[in-house]
Amino acid sequence: AQSVTQLDSQVPVFEEAPVELRCNYSSSVSVYLFWYVQYPNQGLQLLLKYLSGSTLVKGINGFEAEFNKSQTSFHLRKPSVHISDTAEYFCAVLPGNAGNMLTFGGGTRLMVKP
Amino acid sequence: NAGVMQNPRHLVRRRGQEARLRCSPMKGHSHVYWYRQLPEEGLKFMVYLQKENIIDESGMPKERFSAEFPKEGPSILRIQQVVRGDSAAYFCASSRDSYTEAFFGQGTRLTVV
Repeated sequence: AQSVTQLDSQVPVFEEAPVELRCNYSSSVSVYLFWYVQYPNQGLQLLLKYLSGSTLVKGINGFEAEFNKSQTSFHLRKPSVHISDTAEYFCAVLPGNAGNMLTFGGGTRLMVKP
Repeated sequence: NAGVMQNPRHLVRRRGQEARLRCSPMKGHSHVYWYRQLPEEGLKFMVYLQKENIIDESGMPKERFSAEFPKEGPSILRIQQVVRGDSAAYFCASSRDSYTEAFFGQGTRLTVV
């Protein structure tokens, strides 16, 4: 079984400041890793994913994440946030052996202040 | 190419009524997944279906909940005799097969009054 922990439920940050949203996972098998964004009353949009290869993954809207196998982490970062980045962010894992059934973390609410 | 379509977007039911949530997958997708998001929580997997088959229902509550994905038409998540605790956002995702990316719909927000 897999589990995902997002350590911060809320992250307030000023506009144009850098931000890091933390994600740790546990799994007995190799996993694929994802970050999704959810704007208010909307569905989930894929920001980026790690399947294999380079551990630094670049996604949409200027976000990137780094897979750290030894620390079982997949933290999301952005060097300069905008007001429009205010949303809920979910980290998720998918077992690499089969299926498309994601296990999600509890989410982090990013609140960008002017 | 339309995305995953869920309807209705918002559904209000009184306690004891039935709720039917529909999900039309993206064109060419035959795999459907349902997730539930309780208030202030992340999404939890409920059930995975292919056309006419339930592949994995390990996340489905044992009673009152059922899902189907018929040969023709959308996938349906059915909740009988709804209770206040069923109030949540229900998301559907679809994929071409079990190894390619799943795309999410915008969800159905169920409110039980």
